[in-house]
Amino acid sequence: AQKITQTQPGMFVQEKEAVTLDCTYDTSDPSYGLFWYKQPSSGEMIFLIYQGSYDQQNATEGRYSLNFQKARKSANLVISASQLGDSAMYFCAMRELGNNRLAFGKGNQVVVIP
Amino acid sequence: DAGVIQSPRHEVTEMGQEVTLRCKPISGHNSLFWYRQTMMRGLELLIYFNNNVPIDDSGMPEDRFSAKMPNASFSTLKIQPSEPRDSAVYFCASSGRGSAYQETQYFGPGTRLLVL
Repeated sequence: AQKITQTQPGMFVQEKEAVTLDCTYDTSDPSYGLFWYKQPSSGEMIFLIYQGSYDQQNATEGRYSLNFQKARKSANLVISASQLGDSAMYFCAMRELGNNRLAFGKGNQVVVIP
Repeated sequence: DAGVIQSPRHEVTEMGQEVTLRCKPISGHNSLFWYRQTMMRGLELLIYFNNNVPIDDSGMPEDRFSAKMPNASFSTLKIQPSEPRDSAVYFCASSGRGSAYQETQYFGPGTRLLVL
């Protein structure tokens, strides 16, 4: 069964605008971590932000924030003030307690236009 | 501080040849992961080491694939013999405490493998 679902089609975003990337997850484990990674066209996987299942507040890292809605099993990434360098594929991932695997979604493609 | 280092960055080989991919994890990290990324299957975990010991190799596709971690600062992923369907990007990642779900995995730049 799909653990992480990212279904948005490719997105075009105007520079300096905010963009929200959707991610829903499926787990019955109360302990888990959610991660977002960025993969630019050069191919490397860059860690952006982490949210733990017991965290009371939404995670933030600079221009990145995570809209964590636990009851809805949703962990959307918000990128504020988009820059041209934000053009990339963005992956949501989850790791459950007792599971070695980091389960990745299929990714969201973002293109920032000037 | 240096990140995860992988070599080679690109590899082109012919079917039937042996391929060896190399990884140096971040210093002080005790867990190492090998992933494969393809368009069809996305990112898949192949094998996971904790303190140099293989913990979970259930993602290794078949006996043609093997991985070793002789010490805390070096790991190899070997494909012998290679096949065209092995063409993919292979990532190595490391984390501080592999068994903890909270630990962030940091990825290397990847090795782009093309098997002709």
